[in-house]
Amino acid sequence: DAGITQSPRHKVTETGTPVTLRCHQTENHRYMYWYRQDPGHGLRLIHYSYGVKDTDKGEVSDGYSVSRSKTEDFLLTLESATSSQTSVYFCAISGDRTLGGELFFGEGSRLTVL
Amino acid sequence: SQKIEQNSEALNIQEGKTATLTCNYTNYSPAYLQWYRQDPGRGPVFLLLIRENEKEKRKERLKVTFDTTLKQSLFHITASQPADSATYLCALDSGGSYIPTFGRGTSLIVHP
Repeated sequence: DAGITQSPRHKVTETGTPVTLRCHQTENHRYMYWYRQDPGHGLRLIHYSYGVKDTDKGEVSDGYSVSRSKTEDFLLTLESATSSQTSVYFCAISGDRTLGGELFFGEGSRLTVL
Repeated sequence: SQKIEQNSEALNIQEGKTATLTCNYTNYSPAYLQWYRQDPGRGPVFLLLIRENEKEKRKERLKVTFDTTLKQSLFHITASQPADSATYLCALDSGGSYIPTFGRGTSLIVHP
């Protein structure tokens, strides 16, 4: 299994509070991604990173920010959580495209915003 | 707009039969197409990747076909087993962005 861990795995918070989800990898992969998964929508890209301090927005980036100060860590922050951000969040990593390009996913972080 | 379509209805089959899942896409020119398996409460797990210049790929009981004219990929599981029950996701990647876009997945239920 790829060395990728997400924390926390479960979190319940209240509307308006800040939340940070952490993704940590031990594979030294260049690309890191945050997806959210909701019933009826599948996996949707929030933000991604193609290197340290290099990040860009995905399809559903509003209300989220990210940071990547080290190769191994990719943080997803909800500055002020809303109920619409209740979801399961998955981090994924990917290496050099010449190696195949597949994504390795973490186990997910289930966030409930009350 | 770009769209990836997977059958939203669950596919129910009997053990030992071949399961065939479909992934259709529009307004894409994918360089790669990938298939993932996802079990309840777990992250997706990569199964197979097929490139645009490949027609078919096999791995053990799995087979993927890729028809860029029909804009369709078929995912086959032969001699299916109850342990194959899961949701299967297809993902397309243009190759330049390194950002796979996922379909919503199809649930497969294999009955003993």
